[in-house]
Amino acid sequence: NAGVIQTPRHKVTGKGQEATLWCEPISGHSAVFWYRQTIVQGLEFLTYFRNQAPIDDSGMPKERFSAQMPNQSHSTLKIQSTQPQDSAVYLCASSLGSWGLQDTQYFGPGTRLLVL
Amino acid sequence: GDSVTQTEGLVTVTEGLPVKLNCTYQTTYLTIAFFWYVQYLNEAPQVLLKSSTDNKRTEHQGFHATLHKSSSSFHLQKSSAQLSDSALYYCALNNNAGAKLTFGGGTRLTVRP
Repeated sequence: NAGVIQTPRHKVTGKGQEATLWCEPISGHSAVFWYRQTIVQGLEFLTYFRNQAPIDDSGMPKERFSAQMPNQSHSTLKIQSTQPQDSAVYLCASSLGSWGLQDTQYFGPGTRLLVL
Repeated sequence: GDSVTQTEGLVTVTEGLPVKLNCTYQTTYLTIAFFWYVQYLNEAPQVLLKSSTDNKRTEHQGFHATLHKSSSSFHLQKSSAQLSDSALYYCALNNNAGAKLTFGGGTRLTVRP
């Protein structure tokens, strides 16, 4: 099993540009999560999908951030008009989506976004 | 909302000595699960331990933790730290309302020779 795949691993954008991050979940997993990791804030939840449907986007900044899951094999996180404060590692995770409390989330290696 | 607190941002311990990483939480939910994730340098976080049973010890790879709802804690312990244990450790809470994890701020463990 290849694990969760995230591309690109590193991305540098200029302020005001758009950034699109890709995630391929583990085959057979029906839940996909996006988190953001910074030194100051640690790991913060952004949004998640179950069976491709958006379930909870309570952590998403309301402006400029959007996420989609057009099919079961990939999800994207798009940041429009990037700002320096968007610089972070964006982590994608997937799980079986079994609704059990101990349903384990498996993380990808992350995309390190740097906004200059 | 839920909150998870890891009181130490940095912990340094000498190889062979015991180590304890603290994790406490606040939640209004009675049915919860807890996870410890470990993240090695430039790698993805990976699950180390998980539990949803009150007062039951859970062990994996030499680490152990017990969920104590009475004190709202899920501390991580190891009796003899190894150099390879140096990493960033997160504890995380999952309540019954949804699948998202609420993470603590993380504790960076350094094991020195």
